[in-house]
Amino acid sequence: QQPVQSPQAVILREGEDAVINCSSSKALYSVHWYRQKHGEAPVFLMILLKGGEQKGHEKISASFNEKKQQSSLYLTASQLSYSGTYFCGTDNSGGSNYKLTFGKGTLLTVNP
Amino acid sequence: KAGVTQTPRYLIKTRGQQVTLSCSPISGHRSVSWYQQTPGQGLQFLFEYFSETQRNKGNFPGRFSGRQFSNSRSEMNVSTLELGDSALYLCASSSPGLAGSNEQFFGPGTRLTVL
Repeated sequence: QQPVQSPQAVILREGEDAVINCSSSKALYSVHWYRQKHGEAPVFLMILLKGGEQKGHEKISASFNEKKQQSSLYLTASQLSYSGTYFCGTDNSGGSNYKLTFGKGTLLTVNP
Repeated sequence: KAGVTQTPRYLIKTRGQQVTLSCSPISGHRSVSWYQQTPGQGLQFLFEYFSETQRNKGNFPGRFSGRQFSNSRSEMNVSTLELGDSALYLCASSSPGLAGSNEQFFGPGTRLTVL
């Protein structure tokens, strides 16, 4: 089942904050966040694991609510370089039977 | 470390033909995943290989297949191409261990156009 991301698109001015949400209908083992700029490959931002462990870039923050099967990505004091499409990928099984199912993405535009 | 490389970067084929795409992972990475990216469907998982074994497969027809070699390089093949196969095909590698807990490094992709 593909996770649902919201909003589909958001426009910010530099310095503003944004929250991108990712919701799954199945229990989550891990949630991955990636950003893709136009014409480029997706770039890793963060992994949140069941049990509370997180791996990612220091300037990025996210939350993972296991009970609600949701994750949120927090972008604070946005910069022009934050523009791009943000994808969440969910792993519902864990272990060696791993596969990531990605949401359709959230297009973030940061204007001067 | 060199990043993930994919060849070719662009490909134009006609319906009914077959195509083979190649992916070289980051040195030391044994897990390689393949994804199809289209504007309508986003990133869709095709399959994942680890140590030459396919560990998982997405919901794609049997025309899509892959393999991994002993040096971790991977290829994917699409036979009897259809117009709907036009997409960006991305591969991603990750380091040993539980793949679900490690970041994936994506290659630049192969843009396939089927005419």
